Amino acid sequence: GESVGLHLPTLSVQEGDNSIINCAYSNSASDYFIWYKQESGKGPQFIIDIRSNMDKRQGQRVTVLLNKTVKHLSLQIAATQPGDSAVYFCAENIQAGNMLTFGGGTRLMVKP
Amino acid sequence: DTAVSQTPKYLVTQMGNDKSIKCEQNLGHDTMYWYKQDSKKFLKIMFSYNNKELIINETVPNRFSPKSPDKAHLNLHINSLELGDSAVYFCASSATKLAGANEQFFGPGTRLTVL
Repeated sequence: GESVGLHLPTLSVQEGDNSIINCAYSNSASDYFIWYKQESGKGPQFIIDIRSNMDKRQGQRVTVLLNKTVKHLSLQIAATQPGDSAVYFCAENIQAGNMLTFGGGTRLMVKP
Repeated sequence: DTAVSQTPKYLVTQMGNDKSIKCEQNLGHDTMYWYKQDSKKFLKIMFSYNNKELIINETVPNRFSPKSPDKAHLNLHINSLELGDSAVYFCASSATKLAGANEQFFGPGTRLTVL
């Protein structure tokens, strides 16, 4: 079936470097995408979202890029900090009732 | 103030028991959800519910049932618990917008362990 997935299960970066977390999706009908951050023992926390009529959206230190041609989503974190260490999930809305389908998650580890 | 809260945070119980997890949101949202996260961190939607409709992920066993006493609460009832039900369960909520799907706010999770 169609699903959301991630290329890298673990990403290790040096503090201060930029991080890029990738996500591939296969459902061309998806019209809304979200990135969530989940710290240990906590629930997912919203980072940034993007609708399918856009290809880029920026937040504070984060940028989401959407390439509908190749069905690819990425999260860029500028000047990565130790507090960014967490598991990051992409999610897409492909079902009725605003239900999200999540990718498998990428663990980001920031080395001081 | 906590936006989405769940109780209990931890729940340990025996196989075959019936248990409930409570969820409350004070965001004024009209749609609430339940997700299951397994030991590999995979998050899977179980239910979507607002005052108009309940949408059930077809893979969810009918031992699981959401119950909403009012707009701010969506409790999860689980009958005849099985070992495979052990997971972290997350409640979430969102506001319905005309523009379509939108951000969901998650609770802190309930870790269920079935012995």
